[in-house]
This record gives sequence, C-alpha cells and structure tokens, in this order.
Amino acid sequence: NAGVIQTPRHKVTGKGQEATLWCEPISGHSAVFWYRQTIVQGLEFLTYFRNQAPIDDSGMPKERFSAQMPNQSHSTLKIQSTQPQDSAVYLCASSPPNERLFFGHGTKLSVL
Amino acid sequence: AQKVTQTQTSISVMEKTTVTMDCVYETQDSSYFLFWYKQTASGEIVFLIRQDSYKKENATVGHYSLNFQKPKSSIGLIITATQIEDSAVYFCAMREGVGDNSKLIWGLGTSLVVNP
Repeated sequence: NAGVIQTPRHKVTGKGQEATLWCEPISGHSAVFWYRQTIVQGLEFLTYFRNQAPIDDSGMPKERFSAQMPNQSHSTLKIQSTQPQDSAVYLCASSPPNERLFFGHGTKLSVL
Repeated sequence: AQKVTQTQTSISVMEKTTVTMDCVYETQDSSYFLFWYKQTASGEIVFLIRQDSYKKENATVGHYSLNFQKPKSSIGLIITATQIEDSAVYFCAMREGVGDNSKLIWGLGTSLVVNP
C-alpha cells in the first residue's frame, strides 16, 4: 500500500496562472479531504468528498478554487488565477468511514 | 462554535523524560472524537491516538497516552520515555457528531524538541 499519493510535490506558478494538484487516495477509503497548511493559519479545511460525492466545501475560497473527484482513484484541486497568498502546502487525506485520516506528503505551491 | 486550542507553542525536553502537551476544545455536541497527530520534519502527518468522548478510560498506545478531562474540555497528550525521533509538531484535533467523516477542527500545534 503506497499510501495517499500527491503530485506534484512542488509546484511553482506565476501570479495569474492556473495550478492543478492531484491526489490518489488509498484504495477502499470512502472519504477524501483537502487541507491547506500555512505558518500563519495552520491547517485549514478546504473540502471533502465521501464516495466521490462532494459533502462539504465550506473551507474553499469561492471564486478561484474548485475540487473534483471524477472517480474513486483520484481527486483534483484546481486554483485559477493563482495569487501569492495561495502559496501554501496543500494536503490530501483519505480515510475509511469514521476512522483516522491518512495524509499524503502534500504539494508545496509557490506563487511568484 | 467549535474550536481547538493548543496554548503551548513549543516545548523542549531531555531525552527519556515525560512530556505533556495541552489541548482544550469547545463543542456543543454531546458526542465527539478527539485525535492527536504528529507532523515530522519531512512534513508527513501521522495519526497517534484517539479518544472518543463517551469513553471514560484514557486511551493509551505505546508510549503515548491521553489525559481526558471531560468537565474541563481538555485532552492532554502524554509522551513517556521521550526519544530524539519524537521531535515533531503535535496537533490536537476534534471531530463532532455521529455522522461519518465530518471535517476535523485543528489546533495550531505544539513543537516538541527532544534533546540528547
């Protein structure tokens, strides 16, 4: 079991460009979460899916962020028109029902 | 509103000693779940231990144990016989309710340095 796989590990974009982050959850896990981590804000919840259906996106900045889970083997987080304040580590986690989270290593996004 | 507070920003201890990290939480739910996770220097976040609110007995896993004081809304993490590799950032988190996989509310973390 390779764990939760996130690609790329590092991404550098210019201001205004689009960034797409990928997550492959652990096979058989029903829930997939996206978090953002910064020094100032800590771990911030963005959104989560259960059995591929979006359940709660209350943490997502409404205008430029979107997440999808087109199949049970991967989820994407897309940020349009990236801004310097979007620079952070984006973490994906998956879990079986009512169990602990298994985190990926994260994608470090740097917006120049 | 749900909230998790870790008041200790950083702790430094000598190897083989015992350390306690504090965490207090706020919730309106009668049923909730409390977790401790550890983030290593590489950035990896791993689960350590869990306490369900309806359980009176403190959870213990290996050299990690919890001090659950429900009337004080407190869930302290105790690490006994600390090792150098315990150096990491420790996060307390809470999940409310009985619905599955609802989001976790996180504290800001406590950085632990274990010195030789």
